[in-house]
Amino acid sequence: DAGVIQSPRHEVTEMGQEVTLRCKPISGHDYLFWYRQTMMRGLELLIYFNNNVPIDDSGMPEDRFSAKMPNASFSTLKIQPSEPRDSAVYFCASSLQRRSSYNEQFFGPGTRLTVL
Amino acid sequence: DAKTTQPPSMDCAEGRAANLPCNHSTISGNEYVYWYRQIHSQGPQYIIHGLKNNETNEMASLIITEDRKSSTLILPHATLRDTAVYYCIVRSLNSGGYQKVTFGIGTKLQVIP
Repeated sequence: DAGVIQSPRHEVTEMGQEVTLRCKPISGHDYLFWYRQTMMRGLELLIYFNNNVPIDDSGMPEDRFSAKMPNASFSTLKIQPSEPRDSAVYFCASSLQRRSSYNEQFFGPGTRLTVL
Repeated sequence: DAKTTQPPSMDCAEGRAANLPCNHSTISGNEYVYWYRQIHSQGPQYIIHGLKNNETNEMASLIITEDRKSSTLILPHATLRDTAVYYCIVRSLNSGGYQKVTFGIGTKLQVIP
C-alpha cells in the first residue's frame, strides 16, 4: 500500500492567489481528515469526512477555506484568496472505522505551503 | 474533551529507556489514552493506545495509573531515530460516533548519542 498521498509536497504562492491541495487516502478507508500545523498553534484539525460527506468543519478558519471529497479516493483543500498567515504544513490523514472503539489515523507526508 | 499536559521537552541517552509522562486528570471513563509521534518533516505516526490496563507492542509500552489521571509512554531502548515530538491524546466521542482527535503541543524528545 502506498499510504496516504499528498500533492504538491511544496507550494509557494503569492498573496491573493488560489491554492489547491490534494489528497489520496488509503484505499478502503472511510474517514479522511485535513490538518494544519504551525509552530504557534501546533497540529489543528480543520475538517473531516466520513464516506465522502463532510462531518465536522468547525476547525476551518474562515470562508476562504473549503474542502471537497468528490469520491472515496480523492479530496481537495482550497484556499481562495490565500494570505501569508495561511503558511503552514497541511496534512491529510485517513482511517478505517472498526467495530472497536479505536481507529488509527494514517497521515500523509504533508504539503508545505508558503504564501508570500 | 479531556485535556492533556505534557512536558515540552525531554532528553534521553541512546540505549536507555525513555519515559514520557502525560497528565489527563479530567479523563472520562470511556475515553482512551493514545500516543502518536512526529518525526521531523513527517506526518504523525500512531504508537500505542490503552484504556485501563498497561499495554505493550513492538514500539513501546503504555503505563496508565489506576485512577487513570496520568500515563507514561516507555520506549525501552531509545535510539537516535526515536528523536521526535510525542503527542499524548485522549479520545473524545462526538455525536456522530467518531473519535475526534485533538493534538496538543506534545513533548519533544531528543535522544542523545
